[in-house]
Amino acid sequence: NAGVTQTPKFRILKIGQSMTLQCTQDMNHNYMYWYRQDPGMGLKLIYYSVGAGITDKGEVPNGYNVSRSTTEDFPLRLELAAPSQTSVYFCASSPTSSGGGYNEQFFGPGTRLTVL
Amino acid sequence: KNEVEQSPQNLTAQEGEFITINCSYSVGISALHWLQQHPGGGIVSLFMLSSGKKKHGRLIATINIQEKHSSLHITASHPRDSAVYICAVVGRGTDKLIFGTGTRLQVFP
Repeated sequence: NAGVTQTPKFRILKIGQSMTLQCTQDMNHNYMYWYRQDPGMGLKLIYYSVGAGITDKGEVPNGYNVSRSTTEDFPLRLELAAPSQTSVYFCASSPTSSGGGYNEQFFGPGTRLTVL
Repeated sequence: KNEVEQSPQNLTAQEGEFITINCSYSVGISALHWLQQHPGGGIVSLFMLSSGKKKHGRLIATINIQEKHSSLHITASHPRDSAVYICAVVGRGTDKLIFGTGTRLQVFP
């Protein structure tokens, strides 16, 4: 199993451009998450999904959109990129809620995005 | 004030030393996670616990629900333990993790 994969690894955008960060998992996990990690800050939840067709906002959703048409894929869309979106983005998945049972989250390798 | 506070922020140790990293939180939780972020950036889950103590190899995690405090211990530390260790809690009634800012550990030979 590849686990959680993310593309691209690095990207530089100009202000106002748009892009999609791809995330795929092959573990048949229901729950998927997008986080951003800024220097000196803890990870912040952008959006999450509890299954195909269901998404919900996290702590910092402004400027982003998501969709979940399949169990495997959870792309994150940035519209009108701004310098404040310069960050490292992590996708993660878990079999069910991380609030119950033993369920850990499995993280992708991250995408380093710079907006100039 | 952050809902999850870790201490210390930075920690250096000599190989073989016993390491303790602390995590305090201010909200009711259903679970607490410890994660490790490698120097290359990858994040892996170490423990998930809701009570008591768990051990995996040289790593031990404890939690005191009444005191809203958890500790991560590393026995016989090694340079390969050098990483950022992150505490995260699951707020009661939610599915979402709230993360601390991490403790950067460097172990020197």
